[in-house]
Amino acid sequence: AQKVTQAQTEISVVEKEDVTLDCVYETRDTTYYLFWYKQPPSGELVFLIRRNSFDEQNEISGRYSWNFQKSTSSFNFTITASQVVDSAVYFCALSEGYNQGGKLIFGQGTELSVKP
Amino acid sequence: EAGVAQSPRYKIIEKRQSVAFWCNPISGHATLYWYQQILGQGPKLLIQFQNNGVVDDSQLPKDRFSAERLKGVDSTLKIQPAKLEDSAVYLCASSLGSGISSYNEQFFGPGTRLTVL
Repeated sequence: AQKVTQAQTEISVVEKEDVTLDCVYETRDTTYYLFWYKQPPSGELVFLIRRNSFDEQNEISGRYSWNFQKSTSSFNFTITASQVVDSAVYFCALSEGYNQGGKLIFGQGTELSVKP
Repeated sequence: EAGVAQSPRYKIIEKRQSVAFWCNPISGHATLYWYQQILGQGPKLLIQFQNNGVVDDSQLPKDRFSAERLKGVDSTLKIQPAKLEDSAVYLCASSLGSGISSYNEQFFGPGTRLTVL
């Protein structure tokens, strides 16, 4: 069965600290997609990144970076030099198979609080 | 490009009442999703449409929830009668639709926050 686990419920850091959000997934498929979404207090889900199961290259986008390791079924998200505007709930999600546009299975979310 | 529109943004009802939510997806998007997000949890898919046909409604409580997507564009989600545990944010998302050549991103609307008293 497919499952996404975000063990960290809440994280609090001080501005400019680096922070890593953990994500562990379970799937029997060999082809799948992994995602990170941000949900600010306004409530709308904002897409951050998508990774397919065949691409284990790490990715960096500005202050954001992602580490995908199939060997440990993990897809961790690091924010470097955090800012107050990064405060939000972050969700990791999984979509199985080659069914394009398939349903997303979300983790419980990690609430990040960045204090000035 | 306009995003996914949802209305109302907030709704408060008493248990056993009925309620309906509306979603207008991004123009040209064939696939539409309804997710339920209970406080403190990640969103959970309720139903997925491809054009006006249902692709997946395995987690939709069909005794009280119903959804339709007439003409393959707008969609409504109805709860009748509502229970206390239906209090949640209902998110609508849309994507271009199924395709083999590339993954089609899901774009989310702002959600409807339902409170059942």
